[in-house]
Amino acid sequence: NAGVTQTPKFQVLKTGQSMTLQCAQDMNHEYMSWYRQDPGMGLRLIHYSVGAGITDQGEVPNGYNVSRSTTEDFPLRLLSAAPSQTSVYFCASSYSPGQETQYFGPGTRLLVL
Amino acid sequence: GIQVEQSPPDLILQEGANSTLRCNFSDSVNNLQWFHQNPWGQLINLFYIPSGTKQNGRLSATTVATERYSLLYISSSQTTDSGVYFCAAARKGYGNKLVFGAGTILRVKS
Repeated sequence: NAGVTQTPKFQVLKTGQSMTLQCAQDMNHEYMSWYRQDPGMGLRLIHYSVGAGITDQGEVPNGYNVSRSTTEDFPLRLLSAAPSQTSVYFCASSYSPGQETQYFGPGTRLLVL
Repeated sequence: GIQVEQSPPDLILQEGANSTLRCNFSDSVNNLQWFHQNPWGQLINLFYIPSGTKQNGRLSATTVATERYSLLYISSSQTTDSGVYFCAAARKGYGNKLVFGAGTILRVKS
């Protein structure tokens, strides 16, 4: 198993540009989520999905969209990038939406100029 | 929402020393996890431990849910233990919607 994979590893955007961060898992996990990590802070939940076709907002959803058309993929879209979205983005998955060990991808480092 | 506080914020150890990291949470939880973020940024799940005690090699963790705290013990520390240790919790009914603490930065010197 590749586990949770994320692409790209690093991206530079200009303010106002849009982009999609990709996340995929090959463990047949129902639950997937996106977090952002800012310097000196813990991770904060952006959006999550409890299964294909079902998504919901987390703690900091503004400026981000998600969709879940398959069990394997959970892309995160930045509609109009802002410098405040400079961060490291982590995707995570677990077998079920309940209390479960979460597995994290390697992260995408995003710089918005 | 739930508050998760970790202490100490920073810790420097000599190789071979033991340490205890603490996580306090403000509400009842039925999901608590400890993670290690290595110097390359990778997050590794150490324990899923909403209550009780677990051990994995030199690491062990104890959660006392009724008193709203969890402890992570590292024994005989090694330089590879360096990194940031995060505690994350979710309230009852919130499944896997984890709230993370700010982390404890651990530096192990040889």
